[in-house]
Amino acid sequence: NAGVTQTPKFQVLKTGQSMTLQCAQDMNHNSMYWYRQDPGMGLRLIYYSASEGTTDKGEVPNGYNVSRLNKREFSLRLESAAPSQTSVYFCASSEDWDRVDQETQYFGPGTRLLVL
Amino acid sequence: LAKTTQPISMDSYEGQEVNITCSHNNIATNDYITWYQQFPSQGPRFIIQGYKTKVTNEVASLFIPADRKSSTLSLPRVSLSDTAVYYCLVVGVDTNAGKSTFGDGTTLTVKP
Repeated sequence: NAGVTQTPKFQVLKTGQSMTLQCAQDMNHNSMYWYRQDPGMGLRLIYYSASEGTTDKGEVPNGYNVSRLNKREFSLRLESAAPSQTSVYFCASSEDWDRVDQETQYFGPGTRLLVL
Repeated sequence: LAKTTQPISMDSYEGQEVNITCSHNNIATNDYITWYQQFPSQGPRFIIQGYKTKVTNEVASLFIPADRKSSTLSLPRVSLSDTAVYYCLVVGVDTNAGKSTFGDGTTLTVKP
C-alpha cells in the first residue's frame, strides 16, 4: 500500500499562473482533505470531501477549487496563483468523517509550492 | 466546535518523560481527544485517541480527567527522534473531522 500520494513534490509558479495539485489514496477511504501549512504554523483546512461526489469548504477556501474525481482521487486547483498561496499543501484521507473510530486522518508527504 | 489550547513549545532531554497538556474547556459529551505528531517535512501522523481516564499504546499514554476539560499526552523516555510538533484535536460526531482544526501545536525539542 502506498497510502496517500501527492504530485508534484515541489512547484514554482509565477503570480497569475494556474496549477492543479493531485492526490490519490489506495486505502478505500471515503473522506479526503486538503490542508495548507505556512512556515511555523499549524495546518489549516482548505476543502474536504466527506464522500465521493461531495465537497465542502474548510477554514481557508478562497482562491482554491477542488474536484473529487472518484473515490481514490481528490485534486486541488489554484486558478490564479498569488504569493500568499506559497505554502506546503497536504492531502489526507480517512475511512469516514462522522464516526470517531473512522476519523483518523492519514497524510501524504506534501507539495511545496512557491509563488513568485 | 471545541477549541484547544496547548503550549507553543517545550524542551526536554533524552531519557526524560514529557507531558504535554491540552485544554479543551467546551468539549462536547460525544467528543474524543486525538493527538497527532508531525516531523519536519512530513505530514502529521496519528498517535493516540481517548475519551476518558487513561489510554496507552506503544508510543504514548493519554490521560483525561473526569471533567474532560483537559488532556495530557505523556511520552516516556524521549529520544532525539521524538523532536516534532504535537497537535491536540477534539473530534466527534458533532465535531467531525471535516471541521476539526489542528491549531499551531506544541513544538517539542529533545536535546542530548
